[in-house]
Amino acid sequence: AQKITQTQPGMFVQEKEAVTLDCTYDTSDPSYGLFWYKQPSSGEMIFLIYQGSYDQQNATEGRYSLNFQKARKSANLVISASQLGDSAMYFCAMELTGGGNKLTFGTGTQLKVEL
Amino acid sequence: NAGVMQNPRHLVRRRGQEARLRCSPMKGHSHVYWYRQLPEEGLKFMVYLQKENIIDESGMPKERFSAEFPKEGPSILRIQQVVRGDSAAYFCASSPRSSVIGHNEQFFGPGTRLTVL
Repeated sequence: AQKITQTQPGMFVQEKEAVTLDCTYDTSDPSYGLFWYKQPSSGEMIFLIYQGSYDQQNATEGRYSLNFQKARKSANLVISASQLGDSAMYFCAMELTGGGNKLTFGTGTQLKVEL
Repeated sequence: NAGVMQNPRHLVRRRGQEARLRCSPMKGHSHVYWYRQLPEEGLKFMVYLQKENIIDESGMPKERFSAEFPKEGPSILRIQQVVRGDSAAYFCASSPRSSVIGHNEQFFGPGTRLTVL
C-alpha cells in the first residue's frame, strides 16, 4: 500500500528566506503523481504543484518548486522568498495513476513565516 | 466558472441524528471524491464516485456512512446516527477525468465542518 511521510510537524522561516518542506513516499507502482496542497487557517485546500513519476524535470510554479529525487523516493517542496501569507499547513499527497484516483495524504507540516 | 461548492459549511448535529453533506462539482467534472480530515490530521480518502456509480469506497466506514452521485444534482455524503467521533471536516473534490491518461488534479471544495454534540 502507498504511504506518504512528512516528518516535520512544524517549521519556522524568516520572511524572504527559502524553506524546504520534506516529503517521502512509498509505493511499488512505477506510475504515480505527487501533489502539494496548502491549507491556510481558513481551511480550504489549495493546489500548489504537481510532479509525475515519469517527468524528467522538477516541477516549478512561481515561488514553488518540487525537488523530486526518485531513487530516494522524496518530493520536497521548496518555497523561495517566503511571505507572511505563506504561513499555513502544507500537505504532500500521492496518486497512483490508474489506481483509483484517490489521493493519499501525509500528516502535514505547519509553516510559520516570521518577520 | 464556479469552483467546487459544498454546503453547508458548518453543520451541528446531536448524537443519533443524521448528517447530509452536499457537494456540487465544478462544471464539466464527472468525478467526485470525498475525504475526511480529523482534527490535527491529514485528509483521508473515503469514496470516489462518478455519475450514478460508486467506483471506490474502500475508505468508507462499513456502517452508517453512504454516498451517492445521482444523474442530476449534487453528490451527497450521508451519515446516519452520528457519534462524537464523526466530528471532522469533510472535503469534496472533483476532477474532469480519470488519471489513466495523465495528471488528474483534484479541485477541492471549502469543506463542511461537522460538529456532533
